[in-house]
Amino acid sequence: GAGVSQTPSNKVTEKGKYVELRCDPISGHTALYWYRQSLGQGPEFLIYFQGTGAADDSGLPNDRFFAVRPEGSVSTLKIQRTERGDSAVYLCASSLVVGLDTQYFGPGTRLTVL
Amino acid sequence: GENVEQHPSTLSVQEGDSAVIKCTYSDSASNYFPWYKQELGKGPQLIIDIRSNVGEKKDQRIAVTLNKTAKHFSLHITETQPEDSAVYFCAASGNTGFQKLVFGTGTRLLVSP
Repeated sequence: GAGVSQTPSNKVTEKGKYVELRCDPISGHTALYWYRQSLGQGPEFLIYFQGTGAADDSGLPNDRFFAVRPEGSVSTLKIQRTERGDSAVYLCASSLVVGLDTQYFGPGTRLTVL
Repeated sequence: GENVEQHPSTLSVQEGDSAVIKCTYSDSASNYFPWYKQELGKGPQLIIDIRSNVGEKKDQRIAVTLNKTAKHFSLHITETQPEDSAVYFCAASGNTGFQKLVFGTGTRLLVSP
């Protein structure tokens, strides 16, 4: 079946601009996660959704970052006033249920802020 | 919070040899330990995982061992093949009530024919 999909695969923007990154989880998966992966590092947790609500957003670096999941399926990560330090690969993962369940990752969106 | 350390950062082996990657974690309440393989330009792919009530798990050429007392776990790949070449990440889930994964810094495995 279809896995987690993310769009766009690449995004180049200028410092100060606003960007949106989209994640389509595996159908039926109730939990959705966003991670950020800097070059040469492991993924770092940003935010987790159970259904429509953000159950934990403790990993968001500051208030320029925001994510939504209005219908409990597709999620959008929004970054305002982008900075060069925001450049990274943004990964989305989903799991069937909350708790100790396998997380399946998408291919990521590579964000470059010039 | 949880901290995961991973060694080595790079590992080069000959085809057919075994490869071992080791990770340590800091939170004794962690109870889920997955391993992911990441190829260039792709997202991480789960290859094996282990839960705290199990000491060892094997899936064909891949095995993971867990020592909760010492707070370390290891990935073992036997009979390595060139297609095993990739970056491997270990991760641990802390005692947060859901599966927030904390990842190691990765091991780049190169298997030479």
